[in-house]
Amino acid sequence: DGGITQSPKYLFRKEGQNVTLSCEQNLNHDAMYWYRQDPGQGLRLIYYSQIVNDFQKGDIAEGYSVSREKKESFPLTVTSAQKNPTAFYLCASTRRGDTGELFFGEGSRLTVL
Amino acid sequence: QQQVKQSPQSLIVQKGGISIINCAYENTAFDYFPWYQQFPGKGPALLIAIRPDVSEKKEGRFTISFNKSAKQFSLHIMDSQPGDSATYFCAASRLGSARQLTFGSGTQLTVLP
Repeated sequence: DGGITQSPKYLFRKEGQNVTLSCEQNLNHDAMYWYRQDPGQGLRLIYYSQIVNDFQKGDIAEGYSVSREKKESFPLTVTSAQKNPTAFYLCASTRRGDTGELFFGEGSRLTVL
Repeated sequence: QQQVKQSPQSLIVQKGGISIINCAYENTAFDYFPWYQQFPGKGPALLIAIRPDVSEKKEGRFTISFNKSAKQFSLHIMDSQPGDSATYFCAASRLGSARQLTFGSGTQLTVLP
């Protein structure tokens, strides 16, 4: 079945450490996105990428970095510069032409100890 | 900051009842209004969406009502079932573009058996 796979599902990190969240899709979608979800808040866009080797900052990019070396993969690094990294992170993709419908993975929950 | 305001934050409904979630937006250029459903520990999934050229869209037990002049739209869940218990997010964007989606803060719906 086609879909988006995020790993790990749960991750614990000590303060000052960088951590990378994996996102892989086999939907043949061009565009990929990273969102952050906090309790009682909507989804906020961190980064998005419309094509390989290109990506754009979203609304809350500070303290995060991404790469898009392959169409299928869009990893997110949460750096030590992110002041409040504990959150649920969601990766998503859209079909060619960006019809507006986002297809989400199951998320990665990051906890900073 | 373009905002989408969603209410209520939480909602408890008896089985068979009607669940109503409301959203209001500010940007009159928004032309795509989706609702996403999220079960605990999972990523959101598109439930239903509407464009401003119609005032209502129905899919099964789910209906979106849209009031362009009031800049409001709502989700109605008829004959609510315990399996509908989830968090619901409204969203809005210009040009129907996923990368421009602004999400509401979410409503946690609980349907009692």
